Amino acid sequence: LAKTTQPISMDSYEGQEVNITCSHNNIATNDYITWYQQFPSQGPRFIIQGYKTKVTNEVASLFIPADRKSSTLSLPRVSLSDTAVYYCLVKWGFQKLVFGTGTRLLVSP
Amino acid sequence: GAVVSQHPSRVICKSGTSVKIECRSLDFQATTMFWYRQFPKQSLMLMATSNEGSKATYEQGVEKDKFLINHASLTLSTLTVTSAHPEDSSFYICSARDPTSAPRGAKNIQYFGAGTRLSVL
Repeated sequence: LAKTTQPISMDSYEGQEVNITCSHNNIATNDYITWYQQFPSQGPRFIIQGYKTKVTNEVASLFIPADRKSSTLSLPRVSLSDTAVYYCLVKWGFQKLVFGTGTRLLVSP
Repeated sequence: GAVVSQHPSRVICKSGTSVKIECRSLDFQATTMFWYRQFPKQSLMLMATSNEGSKATYEQGVEKDKFLINHASLTLSTLTVTSAHPEDSSFYICSARDPTSAPRGAKNIQYFGAGTRLSVL
């Protein structure tokens, strides 16, 4: 059964780099991988999107291997305000949009 | 970035009543909007895809007669939970795509509303 899985939770300290991986073994060949951040009782907020290799913007980097069966969101120098749940979003091979299981990141002082 | 407004943010209703949730794209036109449901500490589950001027496409297991979707204009989609029951209590979130304001190199990014917390007593 194809799944979009992520680690349930991660702990980090301020100033550290955090890498969150999403496994998507049945991703559609022609679609992008998108990552979102969600705070409690709010809608998800777009972070970054990529198709292959590496993408970087002002808040994060996204690493995608050649087989595209996984992707890694990298948050450089996290702060307390980065405490949130992070989701990947991919389209499966049969064209169904699926959010990952979500990773709850806790950043401590 | 594109702004999606969702209203109300919270609603409490009695069992058996119907509740309407509005989703508006404030500064762009959205031919496609999405409705999600999220239970506590769980991921978002796509309920249906709302298409302007045509019938919504529902995901497997979602009752279309229970969750009525109307997308009458390019800036408004509504979700009506009919005859709500306690098991319908959840966080409902809409999103819309704005192909004109996506960051450079991006494609079909969904912009989300703030969500509606529905509590059915």
